Amino acid sequence: NAGVMQNPRHLVRRRGQEARLRCSPMKGHSHVYWYRQLPEEGLKFMVYLQKENIIDESGMPKERFSAEFPKEGPSILRIQQVVRGDSAAYFCASSPEEGPYTQYFGPGTRLTVL
Amino acid sequence: QQPVQSPQAVILREGEDAVINCSSSKALYSVHWYRQKHGEAPVFLMILLKGGEQKGHEKISASFNEKKQQSSLYLTASQLSYSGTYFCGTDKNSGYALNFGKGTSLLVTP
Repeated sequence: NAGVMQNPRHLVRRRGQEARLRCSPMKGHSHVYWYRQLPEEGLKFMVYLQKENIIDESGMPKERFSAEFPKEGPSILRIQQVVRGDSAAYFCASSPEEGPYTQYFGPGTRLTVL
Repeated sequence: QQPVQSPQAVILREGEDAVINCSSSKALYSVHWYRQKHGEAPVFLMILLKGGEQKGHEKISASFNEKKQQSSLYLTASQLSYSGTYFCGTDKNSGYALNFGKGTSLLVTP
């Protein structure tokens, strides 16, 4: 059973460009969570999605950031007009439909904004 | 609110024991423990649900005191592979996002 997959693993963007990060959950998992981690810091929750629904986006910046989890295909975290402060590791986690909702993390996407 | 972990860092010799604590000011549904090595993804260790249970995984175990809103991770007879940063994650309700502590850096030396 393949784990959580994320791509790309590394992404370099110039200021003002768009970044698209993809996450495919583990087979059988319908819950997806996005977290951001700055160097030497902990994980900060951004958004929690189920298929076609955003359940909790309380950790998502109000502007430039959006997320989706369509019926078909991976979850996408989109950052428009990136700034240097967006440079971080972005981790996706998935959990199964039923409890105890253990979250399994993907390898992350390391975004560098030049 | 972010749970508080202690200590921030610990250095052990191989074979020694360590305890990492995680406390919250809010009522918790569950506590999740992860270990992360530099440049890698967090790896799930164990989950504890409210009810004061204690779980074990080889030489790593944990407890969850629901009334005190505290959890502790116990590492016995540490191995070099235990080195990394340990995070506790807490959630207020089943299946929701985890609120992570700042982490405890553990270094096991030969």
